Amino acid sequence: DQQVKQNSPSLSVQEGRISILNCDYTNSMFDYFLWYKKYPAEGPTFLISISSIKDKNEDGRFTVFLNKSAKHLSLHIVPSQPGDSAVYFCAASAGVGNEKLTFGTGTRLTIIP
Amino acid sequence: DTEVTQTPKHLVMGMTNKKSLKCEQHMGHRAMYWYKQKAKKPPELMFVYSYEKLSINESVPSRFSPECPNSSLLNLHLHALQPEDSALYLCASSLLTADTQYFGPGTRLTVL
Repeated sequence: DQQVKQNSPSLSVQEGRISILNCDYTNSMFDYFLWYKKYPAEGPTFLISISSIKDKNEDGRFTVFLNKSAKHLSLHIVPSQPGDSAVYFCAASAGVGNEKLTFGTGTRLTIIP
Repeated sequence: DTEVTQTPKHLVMGMTNKKSLKCEQHMGHRAMYWYKQKAKKPPELMFVYSYEKLSINESVPSRFSPECPNSSLLNLHLHALQPEDSALYLCASSLLTADTQYFGPGTRLTVL
């Protein structure tokens, strides 16, 4: 049972344009969401997070939007740069004291120069 | 500083060998985690330590044995592994459980 889904396995975007990565979840107990970026043979790098009391969080070129009613979140990267080419995972956890992070299957983002 | 270090970077072992993976953080985090990641798959949680005590074991086979000797160190002892255990093993830490987890670079394990 895949509780966190990233339905696009890959995405190609022109350099300078906006990249939008999507993530859907099914568990209504999830209340904290994170995005990680991963290069091959390296560990995931934390990018940005959002708690369920907010619907938007911004950090530089990265913005995460949360739509609780649709159980959907998205990561916007603008402008996209070649160094953004990587696999992006969304992850979710449920409640204070819940250690378990549930990851999506990842989206491979390729930025075209 | 959000650095989690892992050694070794690569490990090749036979099915009868005993080896250990090591993870270290000096951020004062009290929760530490082991994940396993196979190619083209998301990381899968194996173990969680909170305040040096094992709090979650995700039904991991006993050939994997975690150890948390102190608040900065986390080990994963390996014995009698199978070729299907070949994967990237990731360590992570967070200030407390349910806080943001920061990952190490991983150990690429190959079991022959």
